Amino acid sequence: DTEVTQTPKHLVMGMTNKKSLKCEQHMGHRAMYWYKQKAKKPPELMFVYSYEKLSINESVPSRFSPECPNSSLLNLHLHALQPEDSALYLCASSHAGTSGDEQFFGPGTRLTVL
Amino acid sequence: DQQVKQNSPSLSVQEGRISILNCDYTNSMFDYFLWYKKYPAEGPTFLISISSIKDKNEDGRFTVFLNKSAKHLSLHIVPSQPGDSAVYFCAATWGGGKLIFGQGTELSVKP
Repeated sequence: DTEVTQTPKHLVMGMTNKKSLKCEQHMGHRAMYWYKQKAKKPPELMFVYSYEKLSINESVPSRFSPECPNSSLLNLHLHALQPEDSALYLCASSHAGTSGDEQFFGPGTRLTVL
Repeated sequence: DQQVKQNSPSLSVQEGRISILNCDYTNSMFDYFLWYKKYPAEGPTFLISISSIKDKNEDGRFTVFLNKSAKHLSLHIVPSQPGDSAVYFCAATWGGGKLIFGQGTELSVKP
């Protein structure tokens, strides 16, 4: 199984809602990532978990809260988002989180904040 | 400050010919460079990578060339096929798993 799955595929939420994005992989990878991609822009790294510990936080606002319950699962909890947070949110995983590791990406969750 | 740059937003090539996608970078600390392909409504898919200590890596129809002195790399696709039509991202990393992507080049391969 070389797949990273993400749910939901689409999400529409208001600025006062609380929602969560989910990501799962069963490749035995020990590093997992959240990226944000705006239209016509490249993916931008938000968070990295390595061996279930947060290793990189790219100064992301606290309205985004990541969680790694186990080595196969990665969540992104959303609260009080702004319309400018509307984007494609991509999850990825890699073997160990070292340089040159191939990162496997999921299809993304398309988020719209009203 | 864009550390990884792809200056051509689009490229159109005839089927069977060579596609050359270019990428420039500014950070001499990068130790790996990777190319990803992205179709609409899908996540990026890894294509090929190269270590900063090498100058060429080849995998089937895909070859990546690295010129460290010029801080430039290129992806060659030979022969190009219509199924190669996608957005291609150059990415770089150093010291860990943080990938920095270029802006992408949209490749169109015409039959």
